[in-house]
Amino acid sequence: TQLLEQSPQFLSIQEGENLTVYCNSSSVFSSLQWYRQEPGEGPVLLVTVVTGGEVKKLKRLTFQFGDARKDSSLHITAAQPGDTGLYLCAGGRKGAQKLVFGQGTRLTINP
Amino acid sequence: DTAVSQTPKYLVTQMGNDKSIKCEQNLGHDTMYWYKQDSKKFLKIMFSYNNKELIINETVPNRFSPKSPDKAHLNLHINSLELGDSAVYFCASSQGVTGLVRTIYFGEGSWLTVV
Repeated sequence: TQLLEQSPQFLSIQEGENLTVYCNSSSVFSSLQWYRQEPGEGPVLLVTVVTGGEVKKLKRLTFQFGDARKDSSLHITAAQPGDTGLYLCAGGRKGAQKLVFGQGTRLTINP
Repeated sequence: DTAVSQTPKYLVTQMGNDKSIKCEQNLGHDTMYWYKQDSKKFLKIMFSYNNKELIINETVPNRFSPKSPDKAHLNLHINSLELGDSAVYFCASSQGVTGLVRTIYFGEGSWLTVV
């Protein structure tokens, strides 16, 4: 059972445009993480959010945790080719030993 | 200095063979993992060890056997390889196993192709 659904699965846009990717679930998570995976590399953590409604910014990237802690979004402003990669969300629950990963959003920023 | 290193990075082998992937982390973490990423990029946990003790063992064929000789190493041995085993296998580590804000550090992956 896939507990975290990411959308869109594929996104290709031009440099300079804005975009939002989503991570949705019917279950509540205690924490939500976003990872970026570049071709030929392993995923690297970008951010962790733990409070409903929390917003975190990382330069041009804005991450939000839903009020009910069932969903999250990643917004990129003025996308650049260096933002190209696979974006994975991962949900954690208090006391749980494993994270649940979404299937990823493959983002391509064209020059 | 690589934090989580795994070898080999690429492995092409025939069906029926037995192969191993080795992993080492120099972060001093107490928990290590093996993840499998399929062709659709879905990342799924296979095993997790905390202080050399197996704590997560997902529904994985018995042909897959992890081994942790110490906290810094977690190897994966695969017997009788099948075509469906072709995937990227990621080793990873973290400090602690249930903390909400723990960061999982991934290796670069081992690309396994079974022909």
